[in-house]
Amino acid sequence: DGGITQSPKYLFRKEGQNVTLSCEQNLNHDAMYWYRQDPGQGLRLIYYSQIVNDFQKGDIAEGYSVSREKKESFPLTVTSAQKNPTAFYLCASTLDRGAAGELFFGEGSRLTVL
Amino acid sequence: DQQVKQNSPSLSVQEGRISILNCDYTNSMFDYFLWYKKYPAEGPTFLISISSIKDKNEDGRFTVFLNKSAKHLSLHIVPSQPGDSAVYFCAASALGGTSYGKLTFGQGTILTVHP
Repeated sequence: DGGITQSPKYLFRKEGQNVTLSCEQNLNHDAMYWYRQDPGQGLRLIYYSQIVNDFQKGDIAEGYSVSREKKESFPLTVTSAQKNPTAFYLCASTLDRGAAGELFFGEGSRLTVL
Repeated sequence: DQQVKQNSPSLSVQEGRISILNCDYTNSMFDYFLWYKKYPAEGPTFLISISSIKDKNEDGRFTVFLNKSAKHLSLHIVPSQPGDSAVYFCAASALGGTSYGKLTFGQGTILTVHP
């Protein structure tokens, strides 16, 4: 079945450590996105990529980094510079990068900093 | 600056009755709106959308109404079912330019439908 796979589902990190969240899609979608969800807040855009080898900062990119070496993959690294990394992270993709299309989301990764 | 607001954190309704979820926005450039439904520990799933050229879009039990002059949209669920219990997010986008598929989300409303 086509879809978006995020791993790991749960992740614990010690302060000062970098951690990378995986996102893979087999939908042949052009654009991919990373959102963060915190309690009582909407989803906030971290980074997005419309084509391979290109990505743009979203609204809360500080302390995060991404890469887009393959169309199918868009990993997110949460660096030690991110001051409040504990959150639920959602990866998404869309087929049409030229218009607002519906986002297809993965099941999310919950990161907890100990 | 919250450009998309869902001012009701939660809503409780009886099974079979109507659920009305509200959403307000401030950015006049928004012209495409979506509703997503989210269960705990899962990613949101697309529910229904509306373009600013329309004021109503219907899909089965779900209807979205858009009032552009008031910058307000609402999602109606009729009749409500216990399986509709979830968090509902309103989202908005500005077509064209560099907006692409970027969406601005509201805070979400927790809907609970009681049997």
